[in-house]
Amino acid sequence: QVQLQESGPGLVKPSQTLSLTCTVSGGSISSGSYYWSWIRQPAGKGLEWIGRIYTSGSTNYNPSLKSRVTISVDTSKNQFSLKLSSVTAADTAVYYCAREIRYSSSWYWFDPWGQGTLVTVSS
Amino acid sequence: DIQMTQSPSSLSASVGDRVTITCQASQDISNYLNWYQQKPGKAPKLLIYDASNLETGVPSRFSGSGSGTDFTFTISSLQPEDIATYYCQQYDNLPRTFGPGTKVDIK
Repeated sequence: QVQLQESGPGLVKPSQTLSLTCTVSGGSISSGSYYWSWIRQPAGKGLEWIGRIYTSGSTNYNPSLKSRVTISVDTSKNQFSLKLSSVTAADTAVYYCAREIRYSSSWYWFDPWGQGTLVTVSS
Repeated sequence: DIQMTQSPSSLSASVGDRVTITCQASQDISNYLNWYQQKPGKAPKLLIYDASNLETGVPSRFSGSGSGTDFTFTISSLQPEDIATYYCQQYDNLPRTFGPGTKVDIK
C-alpha cells in the first residue's frame, strides 16, 4: 500500500525558508486522481491545511499562507515538496504530508498520511 | 473560509459508554464531511467519509450522520483503544478546514 514519509531540517532560523520533502512509496505519484497535500499542526493545537498539488502540477494554497508557500512535484523521484518562506516562530509545527483522494468526482479524503515531522523555527 | 466548530472540546466517559461529538459548519457543506482519529504522537487516521460512510477496516462502533451544517459522530460503546482526539474536516470548498478537535479519554 502507499506510504508517505516526510524529510527535512528540524530546525529553521527565523526569516529563512522551510523546506520539506515527502517521499511516496508503494505507488506512483503520477497515477490516479490524487492531490498531494501538506498539513501542519502546532503543538497541542488543531490541523491547518497548507496546500496541495495535483498530478498535473496544478496547485492550490491556503490563502492565509499563499504568499509564502510553494508546493512542487518531482515525478522522477516520486516526491513532492513544500517551501515556506520568511518563517517565524508561529510556523513551528509538526508538518504532515498526505494524499487527498478524489472519489466519484465528489468525495475527497486524506489517506494515507505521513508520520509527521517537527519543524522548529528558532535562532 | 468555511469555519468548523466542534463540541465538546473534551470529554471523559466510561468503557462501554455511548459517546457523541457534534461538528458544525459555518455554511451548508451538504454531506462533504470527514472524521479523523488522532492518537498522541501519531498522524490522523480517516474513520468516516462523506459524513456517514465507514472507512474499510474501521470498527462498526464508530458512526457518523448529518448534512448541511450540523453533523454528529458517535462511538456506540467506548473502548480503551478509542482514547484519541477526533477531528471533523470539510471538503466542500478550498481551503480545506478542520474542526478544533474533541479529546476523548476514559473516566
